[in-house]
Amino acid sequence: QVQLVESGGGVVQPGRSLRLSCAASGFTFRSYAMHWVRQAPGKGLEWVAVITYDGSNENYADSVKGRFTISRDNSKNTLYLQMNSLRAEDTAVYYCAKDWRGYDLDYWGQGTLVTVSS
Amino acid sequence: AIQMTQSPSSLSASVGDRVTITCRASQGIRNDLGWYQQKPGKAPKLLIYGASSLQSGVPSRFSGSGSGTDFTLTISSLQPEDFATYYCLQDYNYPWTFGQGTKVEIK
Repeated sequence: QVQLVESGGGVVQPGRSLRLSCAASGFTFRSYAMHWVRQAPGKGLEWVAVITYDGSNENYADSVKGRFTISRDNSKNTLYLQMNSLRAEDTAVYYCAKDWRGYDLDYWGQGTLVTVSS
Repeated sequence: AIQMTQSPSSLSASVGDRVTITCRASQGIRNDLGWYQQKPGKAPKLLIYGASSLQSGVPSRFSGSGSGTDFTLTISSLQPEDFATYYCLQDYNYPWTFGQGTKVEIK
């Protein structure tokens, strides 16, 4: 069965960096685009970024553009999110999600919490 | 970016009620819209894709309709396990954007 397991969350000071990972299994990882979605405590969902199946193209939410970088290693079935210049408003649970047919998110991980605080 | 306006933000309903949630896009998005259900402490779950297609394994009491700018999620007979928060997501173009969410609570 499809499994997505995020890791790398934690407490980080404003202005510092953090890298999240998402380990995928149960499907042909290299064939699908992958996304990051976040949810601030008590708030709604916010789409963050997407990367194509082969890593050749990316798109970002305006709120993270220039600070976050999505990447993947298809040999390791792993998705990454490099987060630089972190701000308090980046505090959220970060979910990785599998793209389906180029339009939807059919599988999600359990999420990893990032807290940006001094 | 396309803005998605979802309403209501919350509603109270009883088991067996018919529930309708709407989402309006700030520009036409064809039928490139999905509906997701999220329960507390859990990841979202895809219910409806392409505005009106039921995702595999989702009960038939859930249905979606609409095209262009106006979309609706309907639960025909609310069940205890349906109490959750629902989100629409436009996947017409990047950046994808979610509606603000609708919390469905027990009356």
